[in-house]
Amino acid sequence: DVKVTQSSRYLVKRTGEKVFLECVQDMDHENMFWYRQDPGLGLRLIYFSYDVKMKEKGDIPEGYSVSREKKERFSLILESASTNQTSMYLCASGLQARGNTGELFFGEGSRLTVL
Amino acid sequence: GQQLNQSPQSMFIQEGEDVSMNCTSSSIFNTWLWYKQEPGEGPVLLIALYKAGELTSNGRLTAQFGITRKDSFLNISASIPSDVGIYFCAGRGGSEKLVFGKGTKLTVNP
Repeated sequence: DVKVTQSSRYLVKRTGEKVFLECVQDMDHENMFWYRQDPGLGLRLIYFSYDVKMKEKGDIPEGYSVSREKKERFSLILESASTNQTSMYLCASGLQARGNTGELFFGEGSRLTVL
Repeated sequence: GQQLNQSPQSMFIQEGEDVSMNCTSSSIFNTWLWYKQEPGEGPVLLIALYKAGELTSNGRLTAQFGITRKDSFLNISASIPSDVGIYFCAGRGGSEKLVFGKGTKLTVNP
């Protein structure tokens, strides 16, 4: 089975702290994604990566950065956490859409609270 | 960015009833996916659709890829309590990105 593992299920941080959310997948997927999920807003794409050291902005990249040094690992970084970044963060991975089904497999989520 | 209109936003039904939800887009999609998210978990893929007009079933679930390629629906027949959760549609056009609907929250009363 495909496994996408997010390092922390629950985090509580203070305003201004630097926050790292780690995600690891074990299926050799090229694509990896970070979404945030808020009630009534669905899943919104923050950043995605289609290869090692490659990244592209999603729909709401402001206040976030990412790192993909290895194929299996995609990290989301909040340089200076703010209260409006309190949310559920979901990592996903998948094969390249071309020639493949393009399905995404999700981790269990990391619920971040910024005080 | 692109957006999908998913409806209804929430549903409260009795066990045994059938459920129908749908998604529409202003853009053409090449792929439609339906996911279910249970409380405290990440979304899990239910059904994937890759061709306009395609009708696919997975147990009590049936989904269709609209002929115009701008819509899709998901039906659940004879609902049971474990069907509760949030159902998301997702579409992909010409890029690697999936666009998600805002979700339909389903509550099933025993």
